[in-house]
Amino acid sequence: DVVMTQSPLSLPVTLGQPASISCRSSQSLVYSDGNTYLNWFQQRPGRSPRRLIYKVSNRDSGVPDRFSGSGSGTDFTLKISRVEAEDVGVYYCMQGIHWPWTFGQGTKVEIK
Amino acid sequence: EVQLVESGGGLVQPGGSLRLSCAASGLTFSAYWMSWVRQAPGKELEWVAYIKEDGNEKYYVDSVKGRFTISRDNAKNSLYLQMNNLRAEDTAVYYCVGRRGEKWGQGTLVTVSS
Repeated sequence: DVVMTQSPLSLPVTLGQPASISCRSSQSLVYSDGNTYLNWFQQRPGRSPRRLIYKVSNRDSGVPDRFSGSGSGTDFTLKISRVEAEDVGVYYCMQGIHWPWTFGQGTKVEIK
Repeated sequence: EVQLVESGGGLVQPGGSLRLSCAASGLTFSAYWMSWVRQAPGKELEWVAYIKEDGNEKYYVDSVKGRFTISRDNAKNSLYLQMNNLRAEDTAVYYCVGRRGEKWGQGTLVTVSS
């Protein structure tokens, strides 16, 4: 199975400051159609996951523009330009090219 | 508004069976390939199974192969997961998911314990 490795696993941040989460895959996530199927999810406490970013850098509808995704091949990053209180939760990267699709371990974002 | 509503979870003994259902609304269900994703207490997410739009292709994670069966009824806008020979390690919240995580239900808890 493709292993998705996130870092850090815990990220204390100050309100209004930027945050960055790294995700590395054990295999390339570039599909034969040219797309890279790397998604980012947010899971707030007690809630279902919500997709934020699909295919590396595309924001889902309703996702604030302070969230951005970047990367290629096997290395990817989720950035929050200015953390707000509602951003507290666990963030997961996920690959959707090699079955079984797999998630990273999760990065817990909390306010300092 | 898209809604995916799971039902059918509960407490079951090891070796027992459960059938989960997911009722979809607000989307063209027959155009969505659908999945079940689970999350054990305090653990990360795990993709369990997915089924193509017409139901003719199905994929399972190795740990559930031969025990779980994913199915759908496009006429009823519904997705199912038949779970047999349940084990303690199947204890989790099970989410109904559209496509590669585009849409999620609220989840239903399955607890396997004697």
